[in-house]
Amino acid sequence: EVQLVESGGGLVQPGRSLRLSCAASGFTFDDYAMHWVRQAPGKGLEWVSSISWNSGNIGYADSVKGRFTISRDNAKNSLYLQMNSLRPEDTALYYCAKESLVKRDFDYWGQGTLVTVSS
Amino acid sequence: EIVLTQSPGTLSLSPGARATLSCRASQSVNSRYLIWYQQKPGQAPRLLIYGASSRAPGIPDRFSGSGSGTDFTLTISRLEPEDFAVYFCQQYGSSLYTFGQGTKLEIK
Repeated sequence: EVQLVESGGGLVQPGRSLRLSCAASGFTFDDYAMHWVRQAPGKGLEWVSSISWNSGNIGYADSVKGRFTISRDNAKNSLYLQMNSLRPEDTALYYCAKESLVKRDFDYWGQGTLVTVSS
Repeated sequence: EIVLTQSPGTLSLSPGARATLSCRASQSVNSRYLIWYQQKPGQAPRLLIYGASSRAPGIPDRFSGSGSGTDFTLTISRLEPEDFAVYFCQQYGSSLYTFGQGTKLEIK
């Protein structure tokens, strides 16, 4: 059974940093691209960042480019998101999502970790 | 960046009715990369349709997707109580992934 378990969320002041983690199991982690998708309270979904299976291809939404860094450790079956210079508008539930092969869809999602940026 | 606009924002229907949800793109989308998700309160999104018209594993055949270019549709042929939720479309293009703002399907 595919499982994605996010951790690392919490309350943080504007301008500070936070690192999110996603532990993956139930599939061959290093075969798949992985993503972070966020959802502000009561709002829609926003793609944040993606990383290919070998970390050779990385992408970011304009809203986080230059502040967030995605990474992965295939030996640990883990995905990460380093978030720096956090802003109140980064407040959201952050989901880790697995991309299916070729089809560019997200076929499995974690339950999310909540990040609240507030003074 | 391709912008996806979903309509209506809210759709009020009764169980047993047919639901038609629209997703319109600001420019042409490769149909291979047009996707639909369902999200229920307190839950993560669930993949419904990929490639504009292919059902994901385990998705009932009352769900169908269609469309091409800039206009895509999700149809639920006969609503069951568990289908009342928020539906999002998503596309991939030019190394970016974008979502529509969602359509809330509520019980009338």
